[in-house]
Amino acid sequence: AQKVTQAQTEISVVEKEDVTLDCVYETRDTTYYLFWYKQPPSGELVFLIRRNSFDEQNEISGRYSWNFQKSTSSFNFTITASQVVDSAVYFCALSEAYTSGTYKYIFGTGTRLKVLA
Amino acid sequence: DTAVSQTPKYLVTQMGNDKSIKCEQNLGHDTMYWYKQDSKKFLKIMFSYNNKELIINETVPNRFSPKSPDKAHLNLHINSLELGDSAVYFCASSRRTGKNTEAFFGQGTRLTVV
Repeated sequence: AQKVTQAQTEISVVEKEDVTLDCVYETRDTTYYLFWYKQPPSGELVFLIRRNSFDEQNEISGRYSWNFQKSTSSFNFTITASQVVDSAVYFCALSEAYTSGTYKYIFGTGTRLKVLA
Repeated sequence: DTAVSQTPKYLVTQMGNDKSIKCEQNLGHDTMYWYKQDSKKFLKIMFSYNNKELIINETVPNRFSPKSPDKAHLNLHINSLELGDSAVYFCASSRRTGKNTEAFFGQGTRLTVV
C-alpha cells in the first residue's frame, strides 16, 4: 500500500529562521503526484503545491521551496525566513489509485509548525 | 467568493440524532469528496463522487450516506450519531478524478456528539 510519512510531529522555530518539513513516501507507481497542504489555526485546508514524479526540479514560490528527490522518495518543504503567520499544520499527500481511473489522496499525519515571535 | 463551502461550520448534537452537512462548490469541478479528520489531525477519505456517481466508498459505517443531487453539491447525512463520530468533516472538489489533480477543500465542519 502507498504511504506518506511525516516524521516530525511538531517543530518550533523563532521568527526569521529557516525551517524544513520532511515528507517521505512509498509508492509502487512509476508515475505519481505529490502535494502539500497547509492547515492554519482557523482550520481550513489550503493547497500549496502539486509535483509530478517525472519532474525533479526544485520549485520556489516566494519564501516557500520544495525539494523533490526520487532517489530518497522525499518531497521536503522549506520555509525561508519564517513568519508567525506560517504557524500551521502542514500535510504532505500522495495520489493513490483506488480503482482503474479513480484516485484518492493519501495524507501524512502532518507536521505542526510553531513560529515564535 | 468561496470556492468550496460547507454548512454548518460547527455542529453539536446528542447521541442518536440524525444530522446532515451540506457542501457546494462553484469551481465547475466534476469530482467531490468527503474526508474525515480525527482528533489527531489524521485525514482519511470517506467518499468520492464524479459527476454525481459514487466512485469511492471507503470502509465507513452505513449510518453515513452521501448524496449528490448535482455535480456542484455533495451532502453527507449521518444517522444515529455516536460519540466516535465526533471529528472535523471536510468536503473537497477537484477538476476530475485523476492522480494529477489537486483537491480544494472547504473550511470543515466540526461535529461534536455529546
